[in-house]
Amino acid sequence: QQQVKQSPQSLIVQKGGISIINCAYENTAFDYFPWYQQFPGKGPALLIAIRPDVSEKKEGRFTISFNKSAKQFSLHIMDSQPGDSATYFCAPQLGNTGNQFYFGTGTSLTVIP
Amino acid sequence: NAGVTQTPKFQVLKTGQSMTLQCAQDMNHEYMSWYRQDPGMGLRLIHYSVGAGITDQGEVPNGYNVSRSTTEDFPLRLLSAAPSQTSVYFCASSYLGGSPAFGSGTRLTVV
Repeated sequence: QQQVKQSPQSLIVQKGGISIINCAYENTAFDYFPWYQQFPGKGPALLIAIRPDVSEKKEGRFTISFNKSAKQFSLHIMDSQPGDSATYFCAPQLGNTGNQFYFGTGTSLTVIP
Repeated sequence: NAGVTQTPKFQVLKTGQSMTLQCAQDMNHEYMSWYRQDPGMGLRLIHYSVGAGITDQGEVPNGYNVSRSTTEDFPLRLLSAAPSQTSVYFCASSYLGGSPAFGSGTRLTVV
């Protein structure tokens, strides 16, 4: 758990606003940087992910920004909607083994109508 | 495809009881894993398997056993339940190197 630090713990945003969640990591061997979205009573689901060879990836209203030198990556949700209200986890992956995911502690996002 | 199926969805155990949480996937994934989720702790890896007949420990394996006799199934056994094992348990599967697909979870309460 110490390898990944996620912030903030909770976030309240007005509808239409921008939500920003940050993830800092220690291990420079991480080579895959996903964000997961979890709704109450459900398991986490992959939302968006980035490889370290690019600095930004955008999918619809969701963008990952990656700063390799700072060992940080962030999730930006543009035009936030009430349906985006969920818990978000960063989970950088170590190597290509499929099992070495290190989950952050989660960010609870609430989007107010 | 059903994806990853976990049963039961809810369970209450008394301290010292044993039980098995079931997990099945129909995607022919090699890799399967069990996580527990506790408030403020994120998801912590309990055990994982890279194929039938192969299992290994994760971050928090104590008090849990697993086996992988088939590609599809990966049950998690609690040998003697303790209140500290009250948690939400998630099973996940993936191709090796891929992102895991999670089941919907089992909420376990040990009293």
